[in-house]
Amino acid sequence: GDSVTQMEGPVTLSEEAFLTINCTYTATGYPSLFWYVQYPGEGLQLLLKATKADDKGSNKGFEATYRKETTSFHLEKGSVQVSDSAVYFCALSNAGNNRKLIWGLGTSLAVNP
Amino acid sequence: SAVISQKPSRDICQRGTSLTIQCQVDSQVTMMFWYRQQPGQSLTLIATANQGSEATYESGFVIDKFPISRPNLTFSTLTVSNMSPEDSSIYLCSVGQGVYNEQFFGPGTRLTVL
Repeated sequence: GDSVTQMEGPVTLSEEAFLTINCTYTATGYPSLFWYVQYPGEGLQLLLKATKADDKGSNKGFEATYRKETTSFHLEKGSVQVSDSAVYFCALSNAGNNRKLIWGLGTSLAVNP
Repeated sequence: SAVISQKPSRDICQRGTSLTIQCQVDSQVTMMFWYRQQPGQSLTLIATANQGSEATYESGFVIDKFPISRPNLTFSTLTVSNMSPEDSSIYLCSVGQGVYNEQFFGPGTRLTVL
């Protein structure tokens, strides 16, 4: 069945460092891919999405490109801030799976000043 | 995007009792979902609740334990029945929008069972 694999955390960075959180997936067909973010004590927010190969989703300085050849959707940000400290979840939805979201395990990010 | 509220935001309950969690959306939506999130873990889908039909439960979740109501397009409830400490978790509702099922989440209900 469909699955999502994220790099394990926690990830600890200094402010203004470059961030990459790896996400790879296994799915039949052409899934849509999402990154969600959960700030401490809050619910999940959709951060960005991509619905077809080579699409780039972007929001709040974060980017991710849908790479079908490598089945990846890595999250990147050029310069992280303390306020980016959160847990990041990669997810996919697939028409063949009734569009249920399949979730990665989440990657915790801590940014130090 | 839809704005979603949940009540209660948190509760502490005794073993053997039941708690009903409410989810209210500010617009009409067809698809609503209920999730459970253990501390520090990913989300587990409990059930899909579409208006006008019975909820569809995922493997490991049953209607007797987690009855769901979906009386209209803006509201749903999840009841956690006959609770045990293992039910301590965050319960989240979400709504799906668009052909790709983007989901938008409520703030969650933090449940502690003693």
